[in-house]
Amino acid sequence: DIQMTQSPPSLSASVGDRVTITCRASQGVRNDLAWYQQKPGEAPKRLMYAASSLQSGVPSRFSGSGSGTEFTLTISSLQPEDFATYYCLQHNSHPFTFGGGTKVEIK
Amino acid sequence: QVQLVESGGGVVQPGRSLRLSCAASGFTFSSYAMHWVRQAPGKGLEWVAIISYDGSNKYYSDSVMGRFTISRDNSKNTLYLQMNSLRIEDTANYYCARADGSGSYYNMDCWGQGTLVTVSS
Repeated sequence: DIQMTQSPPSLSASVGDRVTITCRASQGVRNDLAWYQQKPGEAPKRLMYAASSLQSGVPSRFSGSGSGTEFTLTISSLQPEDFATYYCLQHNSHPFTFGGGTKVEIK
Repeated sequence: QVQLVESGGGVVQPGRSLRLSCAASGFTFSSYAMHWVRQAPGKGLEWVAIISYDGSNKYYSDSVMGRFTISRDNSKNTLYLQMNSLRIEDTANYYCARADGSGSYYNMDCWGQGTLVTVSS
């Protein structure tokens, strides 16, 4: 099975900060990588797909990059509504696997 | 708009069975693969299973293989998860999610709100 190692597990940041979250795959997944945002009590919401494609309706301050084994999600200027937990997902091979999550908290 | 509504959750004893349902609307259900994903209380997301658009292909996580069965009824626009031999560690909120395509290798683009399954004696 492919392991997805997400870092950091949590971070504290201020409104306006640039935030970067990383996911590393234990073997190559090409660009079969998606990012999700989850707020407390809500279902996850897809932000990015194919590693770097922005989901329709998601603000352009979110961006994704990477291919193979290393991926990043960047929020260029953190907004109050961005405080949430973020997950990566590889869907290159079964079983699909999520990263452990990154909780973005207010500093 | 796309709507996915899960039902069937509840409290069940270890070793017993439960069947979850997910009613889909707002899109052509028979054209999309579908997932089940779960989240234990206070924990991260765990992918459970996927079924292709026509039900011909199914894949499972190692933790549920042999105990859970994913199925669908395209005439009823409904996805199912039959859960047998339930364990305490199966306690979670179970989400159904639409795959972004018809085959078995697509990620989730839309999610339901989930149904809570609690396995406890």
